[in-house]
Amino acid sequence: DAKTTQPTSMDCAEGRAANLPCNHSTISGNEYVYWYRQIHSQGPQYIIHGLKNNETNEMASLIITEDRKSSTLILPHATLRDTAVYYCIVMNTGNQFYFGTGTSLTVIP
Amino acid sequence: NAGVMQNPRHLVRRRGQEARLRCSPMKGHSHVYWYRQLPEEGLKFMVYLQKENIIDESGMPKERFSAEFPKEGPSILRIQQVVRGDSAAYFCASSPQENTIYFGEGSWLTVV
Repeated sequence: DAKTTQPTSMDCAEGRAANLPCNHSTISGNEYVYWYRQIHSQGPQYIIHGLKNNETNEMASLIITEDRKSSTLILPHATLRDTAVYYCIVMNTGNQFYFGTGTSLTVIP
Repeated sequence: NAGVMQNPRHLVRRRGQEARLRCSPMKGHSHVYWYRQLPEEGLKFMVYLQKENIIDESGMPKERFSAEFPKEGPSILRIQQVVRGDSAAYFCASSPQENTIYFGEGSWLTVV
């Protein structure tokens, strides 16, 4: 599986958009980009995933660059409850999800 | 549709005892994954099972740890002769196929 690189930590003001970047320069053509988050002492929560097109759901938007070497998770209006560690994962169907260290997002009142 | 159910949520064991952690996948899901999270560390893949089969156990410690997913009933992660270093959160996840996985709330094991 391709390795991902994420900033260790980020802050975001409450109500503003949180933009979380992820680099995956060695991604292969059939690998998906997945995002999960883990709020302290809880199980990881699935957010969104995509292959090459941008995706949006009720939680977030995922923007994948045309060359697929990087992506950005966007939380459009961050709330205090969005404070969590966010994991960007790339994987093939049939492989396992390997979690890196993620980005610790703190939403500030 | 109930989510992935794990129990017990908290378990305390003395060194040398056995710990059994159970995971009931979401309805319709036949793939189960176990992860371990040591304090202040990330999630580490342990094992991937389908009904009655271990598909990938590359993350399982070679000794004392075993996992099963029987035809009937929950998946079980078993840790024999626990040591203090086994204290961690153990998360189970399930999926209907080999794609998006959904996690339970975890089982916290404390070895005293």
